[in-house]
Amino acid sequence: DAGVIQSPRHEVTEMGQEVTLRCKPISGHDYLFWYRQTMMRGLELLIYFNNNVPIDDSGMPEDRFSAKMPNASFSTLKIQPSEPRDSAVYFCASSLGNSNQPQHFGDGTRLSIL
Amino acid sequence: GENVEQHPSTLSVQEGDSAVIKCTYSDSASNYFPWYKQELGKRPQLIIDIRSNVGEKKDQRIAVTLNKTAKHFSLHITETQPEDSAVYFCAASFPSKIIFGSGTRLSIRP
Repeated sequence: DAGVIQSPRHEVTEMGQEVTLRCKPISGHDYLFWYRQTMMRGLELLIYFNNNVPIDDSGMPEDRFSAKMPNASFSTLKIQPSEPRDSAVYFCASSLGNSNQPQHFGDGTRLSIL
Repeated sequence: GENVEQHPSTLSVQEGDSAVIKCTYSDSASNYFPWYKQELGKRPQLIIDIRSNVGEKKDQRIAVTLNKTAKHFSLHITETQPEDSAVYFCAASFPSKIIFGSGTRLSIRP
């Protein structure tokens, strides 16, 4: 039983470059969440989707961040242009149902912007 | 506003002793409270959860208690072992999402 799959696991790039993070949720799950984790701010919800539709993007830090879910099995989080302060671990999670069901996390993408 | 507070931020206990982590939440309508364990460099993993119609739930050495009146819930780990060392996050459901606490770094001293 495959869990949530994220790619890449690690990304190192120079500031100003575009960064694309990818996520494949657990098959059958109808909710998908993107989180950012840093030492200073902990685990922050950036955006979540229900049935491929963005529901709440109030956590997206600024216009440089965008997320899409073109189908039930794929989502991307894009940062353009990237800045050093975007360095963090980005997690994708999925669940069957919303806030009253367990969320299953992927292994994360460790992003370093130089 | 929607808020979950977690204490303490760090906790060190002797191996074999118990550890307790406490959380409070702001919305009396919250009805789902999961706990996640995150080992260094790994993803958060659900270890136990409780719903508001239950006051306590136990799974081997781990238990969670919920006080709806006071709007707080706690994680109890008994007979701690080295593999319990990790960061633990509580969370509470709100109308549209789950909000996580700030985490507790638990260290088990040999």
